Amino acid sequence: QKEVEQNSGPLSVPEGAIASLNCTYSDRGSQSFFWYRQYSGKSPELIMSIYSNGDKEDGRFTAQLNKASQYVSLLIRDSQPSDSATYLCAVNNYGQNFVFGPGTRLSVLP
Amino acid sequence: ETGVTQSPTHLIKTRGQQVTLRCSSQSGHNTVSWYQQALGQGPQFIFQYYREEENGRGNFPPRFSGLQFPNYSSELNVNALELDDSALYLCASSLGVGQGAGTQYFGPGTRLLVL
Repeated sequence: QKEVEQNSGPLSVPEGAIASLNCTYSDRGSQSFFWYRQYSGKSPELIMSIYSNGDKEDGRFTAQLNKASQYVSLLIRDSQPSDSATYLCAVNNYGQNFVFGPGTRLSVLP
Repeated sequence: ETGVTQSPTHLIKTRGQQVTLRCSSQSGHNTVSWYQQALGQGPQFIFQYYREEENGRGNFPPRFSGLQFPNYSSELNVNALELDDSALYLCASSLGVGQGAGTQYFGPGTRLLVL
């Protein structure tokens, strides 16, 4: 059973702080890793994709991947109240076998 | 906006009925995946269609079935509805398989309530 695990939260951070979201996965064959943001009542929205070990930065977001440890993280710098949402980690093998984690609820406090 | 559309947006059915949900993929995408998301949970993979063929299936019973059409739009059919089928049904489109091709873009979803 391929699994993706995340802390369900809620994770509360003050406005302007760094939010750190973590994800572990069980399938060593996983090749592609994604972070989605989902606002309440809405569908998931792609934030970042990462395929290689190391860091990938896009604006205030940084994804980190460590395949040896089967670990993916997302850092959100200068967190804003509009970042308050559920963050979903997803992994797959070249487009097949997409597996999502349960999501971490983030609350950014003004 | 991802360019992925779904219909209807909301649906109420009674137990035992059948339902068909529809999805139009993003322009240029040939792969459609369907997910079920219960309240407070992550999306659960139902199945994927690639160039009109089923290309993977999650742990869902046969009463969940699908189709993909030549224009790559897709349908999800659920027979003999059960109360536990109440969920948000998400369609995601992507461009085939291979590194970089797995990025999926979601439609707005169809919220199904089974009474």
